[in-house]
Amino acid sequence: KAGVTQTPRYLIKTRGQQVTLSCSPISGHRSVSWYQQTPGQGLQFLFEYFSETQRNKGNFPGRFSGRQFSNSRSEMNVSTLELGDSALYLCASSWGQGNYNEQFFGPGTRLTVL
Amino acid sequence: KNEVEQSPQNLTAQEGEFITINCSYSVGISALHWLQQHPGGGIVSLFMLSSGKKKHGRLIATINIQEKHSSLHITASHPRDSAVYICAALRKLAGNQFYFGTGTSLTVIP
Repeated sequence: KAGVTQTPRYLIKTRGQQVTLSCSPISGHRSVSWYQQTPGQGLQFLFEYFSETQRNKGNFPGRFSGRQFSNSRSEMNVSTLELGDSALYLCASSWGQGNYNEQFFGPGTRLTVL
Repeated sequence: KNEVEQSPQNLTAQEGEFITINCSYSVGISALHWLQQHPGGGIVSLFMLSSGKKKHGRLIATINIQEKHSSLHITASHPRDSAVYICAALRKLAGNQFYFGTGTSLTVIP
């Protein structure tokens, strides 16, 4: 079974731009969670999607949004990028509603905002 | 103050040593996860605990709900165990949300 894949793996953007990151879960998994990891703040929960619905959301501004498609693939979007958005963005999939089940992480997308 | 505290922050051990990493949390939780992150960013979920103890190979995780404390033990440590270990508490709110510890960076020297 293929693991969780994330595209792109690396991305460089400038302040004010927007970015869309993609996550394809393990086949059969219906839950996708997104996380941001920075050296200063560590890992932080962004949001979780299950069956195309956002189930949980972390404490991030509205510039961070996401969606999930009927095939469970998920995208997250960050608008009006700020320097502080530079981070490793990780997604994780699980069979059931994410946080109660074992999560399988993707390799991450490293976003650099200049 | 963080809701989840880990100690130590950094740990260096000789191969074969028994290692303990501690995690304390200050909020009510429904479960606690231990994660392993290798250089390069890849994260693996090691355990999910809501009570008692779990064992997988040389790794053992325990949780004491009353004391709000969990430990991750590594027996007979090996250089390939070198990684960052992160505990993540699943806080039961209106919607469940993870709170992460800051991680413990473990280096095992041959």
